Amino acid sequence: EIVMTQSPATLSVSPGERATLSCRASQSVSSNLAWYQQKPGQAPRLLIYGASTRATGIPARFSGSGSGTEFTLTISSLQSEDFAVYYCQQYNNWLLFTFGPGTKVDIK
Amino acid sequence: EVQLVQSGAEVKKPGESLKISCKGSGYSFTSYWIGWVRQMPGKGLEWMGIIYPGDSDTRYSPSFQGQVTISADKSISTAYLQWSSLKASDTAMYYCARLRTGVDYWGQGTLVTVSS
Repeated sequence: EIVMTQSPATLSVSPGERATLSCRASQSVSSNLAWYQQKPGQAPRLLIYGASTRATGIPARFSGSGSGTEFTLTISSLQSEDFAVYYCQQYNNWLLFTFGPGTKVDIK
Repeated sequence: EVQLVQSGAEVKKPGESLKISCKGSGYSFTSYWIGWVRQMPGKGLEWMGIIYPGDSDTRYSPSFQGQVTISADKSISTAYLQWSSLKASDTAMYYCARLRTGVDYWGQGTLVTVSS
């Protein structure tokens, strides 16, 4: 099983600042990596797939990078609606997708 | 418009059985894998397993193998998650999800509460 880790667990950021979230896989997942945003009481929402491709309707302030085992989600200028929990997920092993534990982005 | 609509919240007692559903619409239900995801209260997302409704090919995460049953009825575009004997530790929100490059559509979630 591919184990995903995320850091930091919590990131405190002021509105308008940049946020950088990290995700690491225990073995290579190529570019088969997605990022999701989840707000309280809501289902997750796909932000990024293929490590760097924004999903439909996702603002350009969200960007993803990386391949292999190291990935980054960057939010260039945090808006109030961006405070949420972010999860990475590998889908390289098609039969057993795995999520990271999440990074909570809260207001500094 | 693609939609996954899940059945409503359930309150059950330990030892009872339960089957929750996820109805797909707005796309070819038999052409995409459907997955199930557990989220325990205040916790992260856990991948449970997947099914391909076209032929009912089903795979389980090792942590959930033998604990739940995933099935689908393609004639009514519906996937299911089933328990034969619930435990208090099954209390969680359960999401169904359409798989493509990652999960591109999610159901709204079904809250399952197991309490004596």
